[in-house]
Amino acid sequence: NAGVMQNPRHLVRRRGQEARLRCSPMKGHSHVYWYRQLPEEGLKFMVYLQKENIIDESGMPKERFSAEFPKEGPSILRIQQVVRGDSAAYFCASSPLNMNTEAFFGQGTRLTVV
Amino acid sequence: DQQVKQNSPSLSVQEGRISILNCDYTNSMFDYFLWYKKYPAEGPTFLISISSIKDKNEDGRFTVFLNKSAKHLSLHIVPSQPGDSAVYFCAARSNTGNQFYFGTGTSLTVIP
Repeated sequence: NAGVMQNPRHLVRRRGQEARLRCSPMKGHSHVYWYRQLPEEGLKFMVYLQKENIIDESGMPKERFSAEFPKEGPSILRIQQVVRGDSAAYFCASSPLNMNTEAFFGQGTRLTVV
Repeated sequence: DQQVKQNSPSLSVQEGRISILNCDYTNSMFDYFLWYKKYPAEGPTFLISISSIKDKNEDGRFTVFLNKSAKHLSLHIVPSQPGDSAVYFCAARSNTGNQFYFGTGTSLTVIP
């Protein structure tokens, strides 16, 4: 049973370009969470999705950021017109339907905006 | 608004001794608590959890204690080993369950 798969592991984008980060949850998991870790900081919640639904996006910046979790395929975190401040590690986690269960994290995507 | 707080950014412990990592929370609706361990350039890995109906959960060298009245939990590692050196994150979730709230982490160094 493969774990949570994120790709790419490293992504370099120039200012103004778009970044697409992909996350394939563990098999059987229908809940996906995206977190961001800025240098020297903790994990900041961004968005929580179930298949085809955004459940909680209270941590997403209002502009340039969007997320989806389609019926088929991975979850995508999309950052348009990236700026230097978007440079961070972005982690995806997944969990099954059960409430009291842990979330499993992927290895993360390290985005560098130059 | 940081609902889960880890007030000690770092901790150093001698090998073989006990490591105690602390975590405080503010939301009384939290009913499920977790500890994650994170090595540099890797994703967090789940370590141990506890439901609010319990006050202690033990798994090998790791024990989590929950004090609901104080809104405080702690992770005890005994005996500490050099391989335990990592950043430890405390996390919590409410029964409405929309997200896991994380603390800012405590960097543990176990000195051989």
